[in-house]
Amino acid sequence: KNEVEQSPQNLTAQEGEFITINCSYSVGISALHWLQQHPGGGIVSLFMLSSGKKKHGRLIATINIQEKHSSLHITASHPRDSAVYICAVSDNTDKLIFGTGTRLQVFP
Amino acid sequence: GAVVSQHPSWVICKSGTSVKIECRSLDFQATTMFWYRQFPKQSLMLMATSNEGSKATYEQGVEKDKFLINHASLTLSTLTVTSAHPEDSSFYICSPRDSPYNEQFFGPGTRLTVL
Repeated sequence: KNEVEQSPQNLTAQEGEFITINCSYSVGISALHWLQQHPGGGIVSLFMLSSGKKKHGRLIATINIQEKHSSLHITASHPRDSAVYICAVSDNTDKLIFGTGTRLQVFP
Repeated sequence: GAVVSQHPSWVICKSGTSVKIECRSLDFQATTMFWYRQFPKQSLMLMATSNEGSKATYEQGVEKDKFLINHASLTLSTLTVTSAHPEDSSFYICSPRDSPYNEQFFGPGTRLTVL
C-alpha cells in the first residue's frame, strides 16, 4: 500500500464544473504539498499546508490532520486546468513522498 | 513563486557520453537541492539530496559515481550523467529549497534521451 494515495486516478470534467481531488496518507508529516504538472513536464507548487485551508484564485486546499486527509478543489474549472495534480507529503526525514497523481482533463 | 531554471530543457546523446544538467535558483538561495527523475506515467523518484558545500546523499539504488552532483553555490547545482545508457533516458527535475520550513520549488525539467 502506498504511503500517499490519491483519488481519482483520472478525472474528466466539463468546463465550469467544480472538481475535487482527494489525498490520504499514512505517515507522520510536517507538511502536505499540492503540485501541478503540465503535459510538458514542468511542475508548479500550488500549495504547502500543515493545517486548515488555503485559497489561491479558483483553487482551494484543505487538510485534516486527524484524519490524514487532504482535498484540492477547483472551482469553475477551465480547459487550461488540465494537468496532472500531485499530492506529496514531507515526512519526518524531511523528504517528499509523492502520490501517483490525478490526471485531470477539462473539456470546453 | 520562486524562479528556477534548468538547462538544457532536452538533450539527445549517444550511449557512452556524459551529459551535464544545470539547475539555477534565480531569486533565492537554495541551501538544499533535491534531484528527481521521472519515468513515463510514474511518480517522481528522489535520486539524491545535496546541501550547499557538502557531498550529496544518494538514495538506495542510485549510483553516486554515475550521477555526479555538484552544489558548489547557493544558486547553482549540476547533475552529470556519466557514460549515459538508454536506460538513463528519463525526465530529470531539480528542486531547490531555501530552508527546511519553506516550500520546495521545482525546475522545468530536462528530458534526456540516450540513443
